[in-house]
Amino acid sequence: GAVVSQHPSRVICKSGTSVKIECRSLDFQATTMFWYRQFPKQSLMLMATSNEGSKATYEQGVEKDKFLINHASLTLSTLTVTSAHPEDSSFYICSASESDNTQYFGPGTRLTVL
Amino acid sequence: DAKTTQPTSMDCAEGRAANLPCNHSTISGNEYVYWYRQIHSQGPQYIIHGLKNNETNEMASLIITEDRKSSTLILPHATLRDTAVYYCIRGDSSYKLIFGSGTRLLVRP
Repeated sequence: GAVVSQHPSRVICKSGTSVKIECRSLDFQATTMFWYRQFPKQSLMLMATSNEGSKATYEQGVEKDKFLINHASLTLSTLTVTSAHPEDSSFYICSASESDNTQYFGPGTRLTVL
Repeated sequence: DAKTTQPTSMDCAEGRAANLPCNHSTISGNEYVYWYRQIHSQGPQYIIHGLKNNETNEMASLIITEDRKSSTLILPHATLRDTAVYYCIRGDSSYKLIFGSGTRLLVRP
């Protein structure tokens, strides 16, 4: 149980385009989902907390207009990187929180912006 | 601020127990201790968590000191597939997980 999926697993896009990443909890309902970013050889950095049906809460330094988060249902959250630039290239990972608040992570999405 | 301290790296022999320490001397009474691991280029995998009592599951055991200032994750019979970065994280009432640098565990054949 407690499986979280992400789609796509890899994406390459041109600078200036927008990219949408989906995060799904497959076998449980998640009222809270989290989005993280990980640069090479660094640890995970929390970007935002997403609650179903409400606006996401962004961590300090994360631009909410650039990283749009939608949590429309208890099993789906999406992260859209708008007007992506090469410095946005990173490994994006989501997690979903189960009823006991334990977070389960997706496999990650590797974004490369050319 | 991850608020936990872990060794940068450790190694152990395959088949032996791996004991990974974590210091969380400023942990508050309602904060859990979570352990995750991350194998290269994958999302973190949940291992175990605890509040006060020692915990055991099919993956590992978690030993928390009585004063809760430190804990040890024990992998009883390490295999090569246990080579990963292990994160010890304090989980507060906001349920956010703040990742530190973790311990890079290398299991040797």
